[in-house]
Amino acid sequence: EVQLVESGGGLVQPGGSLRLSCAASGFTFSSYAMNWVRQSPGKGLEWVSTIINTRTYYADSVKGRFTISRDNSKNILYLQMNTLRAEDTAVYYCSRPMTTVVASLFDCWGQGTLVTVSS
Amino acid sequence: EIVLTQSPATLSLSPGERATLSCRASQSIGSYLAWYQQKPGQAPRLLIYDASNGATGISARFSGSGSGTDFTLTISSLEPEDFAVYYCQHRSDWPLTFGGGTKVEIK
Repeated sequence: EVQLVESGGGLVQPGGSLRLSCAASGFTFSSYAMNWVRQSPGKGLEWVSTIINTRTYYADSVKGRFTISRDNSKNILYLQMNTLRAEDTAVYYCSRPMTTVVASLFDCWGQGTLVTVSS
Repeated sequence: EIVLTQSPATLSLSPGERATLSCRASQSIGSYLAWYQQKPGQAPRLLIYDASNGATGISARFSGSGSGTDFTLTISSLEPEDFAVYYCQHRSDWPLTFGGGTKVEIK
């Protein structure tokens, strides 16, 4: 069974940093691209970032502040978030695509981890 | 950036009725459109990919159509568990974007 478990969320002050983790199991982690998607409270979904092998892609709203990475030996996906803003407050979901070929169809999701940016 | 506009924002229907949800792209995205369902407190679930293909385990009452800029998600006969928020998402190019969502509520 595919499992994605996010952790690392919490309360952080504006300008601060946080690193999210997503522990994956039940599939060959290294074969899949991986994604982060977020959802602000009461709002819609926003794609944040994708990692395909060593290539990375970011939403304009986080480019230059967030860094996606992965450790295939540990089956963990990361999102390093720096210079956090109030508008980054959201539930952050880790997501695996449907197949190893297409990176950007979000088929399997974690339960999400809440990041709150506030003073 | 490709903007996806969903309509209506809210759809009020009764169980057994047919639901028709629209998603319009700001430029052509071919058939690279997906639909997701999200219930309160839950992660989204992939329903339809590449405009008209049902994801694994999705009921046949969900169907998708369209290409280019105009897409439709149809729920043939609403079941109680179908009342939720639905999002479209394109994968035509980077950045990926989602539509603003359509809430299907019980009338």
